[in-house]
Amino acid sequence: AQSVTQLDSQVPVFEEAPVELRCNYSSSVSVYLFWYVQYPNQGLQLLLKYLSGSTLVKGINGFEAEFNKSQTSFHLRKPSVHISDTAEYFCAVRSGGYQKVTFGIGTKLQVIP
Amino acid sequence: GAGVSQSPSNKVTEKGKDVELRCDPISGHTALYWYRQRLGQGLEFLIYFQGNSAPDKSGLPSDRFSAERTGESVSTLTIQRTQQEDSAVYLCASSKREGSSYEQYFGPGTRLTVT
Repeated sequence: AQSVTQLDSQVPVFEEAPVELRCNYSSSVSVYLFWYVQYPNQGLQLLLKYLSGSTLVKGINGFEAEFNKSQTSFHLRKPSVHISDTAEYFCAVRSGGYQKVTFGIGTKLQVIP
Repeated sequence: GAGVSQSPSNKVTEKGKDVELRCDPISGHTALYWYRQRLGQGLEFLIYFQGNSAPDKSGLPSDRFSAERTGESVSTLTIQRTQQEDSAVYLCASSKREGSSYEQYFGPGTRLTVT
């Protein structure tokens, strides 16, 4: 079985400050990991994904995430946030050989001017 | 190309009525997912279709919920005898095999309000 834990339901951060949104997963086999973003009143869109290779993955809008197998984590980071980054962020996992994708409950990022 | 579309975009229904929600996936996408997103909450998996395989219905909350998909085309999610707790945004997503990513493409959702 696979599961995803997003430990923080809400993260307030001041504009231009760095941010880290945490994601931990559990799976007994190799994994593929995703971060999706949902801007207010919009649909979900892919931010970035880890399939294989380099553990540091860069996505859109200056976000990046690092796959850490030993800690079973895939935390999302941005060195300097902007007001427009205010959104809800979802971490997701798919286990190798298993096609279903499991989502976390989401983290609301609120950027404070 | 066209993305995932869902209809209706909004649906208001009285408690006890049946509703049917529709999802048109991206052409060529073999997998289709339904999720529920209640106000202020995360994504709740409902059901997953992959090609002609038996669907994964493990997320359906009760026997009032059912879904169908014919081949790799349109899917309908039916909720019978709606209850107020069914009020939510229902999201559909589709994906195809690109390497091994199964990246999902989401539709805009159907906002269901049960009065």
